[in-house]
Amino acid sequence: EVQLVESGGGLIQPGGSLRLSCAASGFTVSSNYMSWVRQAPGKGLEWVSIIYTAGSTYYADSVKGRFTISRDTSKNTLYLQMNSLRAEDTAVYYCARVWGDAAKYFNYWGRGTLVTVSS
Amino acid sequence: DIVMTQSPDSLSVSLGERATINCKSSQSVLSSSNNENYLAWYQQKPGQPPKLLIYWASTRESGVPDRFSGSGSGTDFTLTINSLQAEDVAVYYCQQYFITPPITFGPGTKVDIK
Repeated sequence: EVQLVESGGGLIQPGGSLRLSCAASGFTVSSNYMSWVRQAPGKGLEWVSIIYTAGSTYYADSVKGRFTISRDTSKNTLYLQMNSLRAEDTAVYYCARVWGDAAKYFNYWGRGTLVTVSS
Repeated sequence: DIVMTQSPDSLSVSLGERATINCKSSQSVLSSSNNENYLAWYQQKPGQPPKLLIYWASTRESGVPDRFSGSGSGTDFTLTINSLQAEDVAVYYCQQYFITPPITFGPGTKVDIK
């Protein structure tokens, strides 16, 4: 059974850093495209970042230069390093498995972890 | 970037009636190479993550009830929920995956019971 479990969220001051983790089971993270999607309180879904099987990474303009997506093959875990955090980064962050290169829709989602950026 | 819009923002439907949600993309998401529309639909119930309902604009994900159907092509798409059930109360999002990055979502349509 495919499972994605996010962790690492919490309350952080503006300008601070946080690393989110997404532990996967039932499949191999490095063999799949993986992504982070966030949802600000009461708002819609916003794609944040994606990592391809070959290791290429892409980011939304809103986080480019501040966030870094990565994975650890030995731990079968996806990460999102978030630096220079802003109030507008406050959101529930979901990790999601992408179906594949030919079709970048999300067929599995974690339950999310809440990041609150506030002083 | 492809911008996705949805209408209406919200709708109230009686139990057993039909709900229709529209999604429009700022440019076509139809591929001329495989004649597929790169469009997915998700359902998000309160306090839960999104759930994939439909991909390729009209292919139902395994386990999704057949009262959910997707249609449309090019820039205009529709999610139809036939015979609305109480458990269908949710926000529904469309998403394009034709030109990425970025992957873009519609703003969502909230469906509740009249």
